Amino acid sequence: GESVGLHLPTLSVQEGDNSIINCAYSNSASDYFIWYKQESGKGPQFIIDIRSNMDKRQGQRVTVLLNKTVKHLSLQIAATQPGDSAVYFCAENSGGYQKVTFGTGTKLQVIP
Amino acid sequence: NAGVMQNPRHLVRRRGQEARLRCSPMKGHSHVYWYRQLPEEGLKFMVYLQKENIIDESGMPKERFSAEFPKEGPSILRIQQVVRGDSAAYFCASSQIQVLSSYEQYFGPGTRLTVT
Repeated sequence: GESVGLHLPTLSVQEGDNSIINCAYSNSASDYFIWYKQESGKGPQFIIDIRSNMDKRQGQRVTVLLNKTVKHLSLQIAATQPGDSAVYFCAENSGGYQKVTFGTGTKLQVIP
Repeated sequence: NAGVMQNPRHLVRRRGQEARLRCSPMKGHSHVYWYRQLPEEGLKFMVYLQKENIIDESGMPKERFSAEFPKEGPSILRIQQVVRGDSAAYFCASSQIQVLSSYEQYFGPGTRLTVT
């Protein structure tokens, strides 16, 4: 079936550098995308979302880019901090209501 | 405003026993979702409920699993006759209906079920 997946399972970055986490999706009907952060032992935490009529959205230190042509989504974290260490999930919605489908996840490790 | 609450946080059951997982949504939220997460994997949708109604249970195993969200009280995910393969983290999320807005779901801390 349709799925959302990630290119890199683990990403290590130096503190202060920028991080880019990628996600590929296969459901062309998806019209809404979300990035979640999950710290060890905790539930996912909403970071940022983007609708399919946009190709970029910025938040505080984070930017989400959407390329519908190649069905690719990325999360950019500026000036990565140790507190950013977590697993990041992209998720997509195409159900017309609030059901989302999660990707596998990328573990971000920040090196002090 | 308290967040989504789940209890217990950790639950150990022997094979064949029943597991009951509880979720209290955020105040004012009338939509509840249950997800299951295996180690090193993403969250898999199980069921979506509104008060007294199951809206979508397409991710729920056909047997042994059931969910409810009564008019009063928390949402309950019930697993009968648990097997080792049921061992996972179960997350609950809640949201409000917001037209033309984000589908932001607020997640609870999860219940980690271990079947021995």
